[in-house]
Amino acid sequence: NAGVMQNPRHLVRRRGQEARLRCSPMKGHSHVYWYRQLPEEGLKFMVYLQKENIIDESGMPKERFSAEFPKEGPSILRIQQVVRGDSAAYFCASSPAQFYGYTFGSGTRLTVV
Amino acid sequence: KNEVEQSPQNLTAQEGEFITINCSYSVGISALHWLQQHPGGGIVSLFMLSSGKKKHGRLIATINIQEKHSSLHITASHPRDSAVYICAASPNTGNQFYFGTGTSLTVIP
Repeated sequence: NAGVMQNPRHLVRRRGQEARLRCSPMKGHSHVYWYRQLPEEGLKFMVYLQKENIIDESGMPKERFSAEFPKEGPSILRIQQVVRGDSAAYFCASSPAQFYGYTFGSGTRLTVV
Repeated sequence: KNEVEQSPQNLTAQEGEFITINCSYSVGISALHWLQQHPGGGIVSLFMLSSGKKKHGRLIATINIQEKHSSLHITASHPRDSAVYICAASPNTGNQFYFGTGTSLTVIP
């Protein structure tokens, strides 16, 4: 059981490019959460998904950010037209049920230059 | 005001010392989590508590539901314990965790 896998570990994008962050949950986990950790700040909730459904996206910026968790394959957090302020660590977590057995991935560190 | 407050923000200890990190929360919770984050590294879930006390090796976590307070204790601290420790609350309603800003622990040999 490989745990929650996030890739890439580090991602550098120029302003205006798109960033795609992937999260493969643990086997048997159908709940995925994305969190953002800005430099010198704590973790902030972004979005909660179950297979093929967005359950809660109250923490997602209204523009440029989207997330999906298809029936097959990893969950994707997509950031269009990245700006410097998007530079952060993005963590994914998965669980077999809401708030139970919560496991984090190692994160993707996005740097926008 | 944050829903979850941690103290201290930074903590330096000598190897072998007993360490306590505190967490207070203001929301009704279904569980409280303690997480560990090493510099540049991922996040590891240490404990999930809804009542009482849990122990794992040299780590002990306690929670007082009435006082809305939790503590993480590290006995016989070691330099490899150096990390950021984050308290996170699962509220009774809603889908998101509330996170504390973390306690940065440095254990000096």
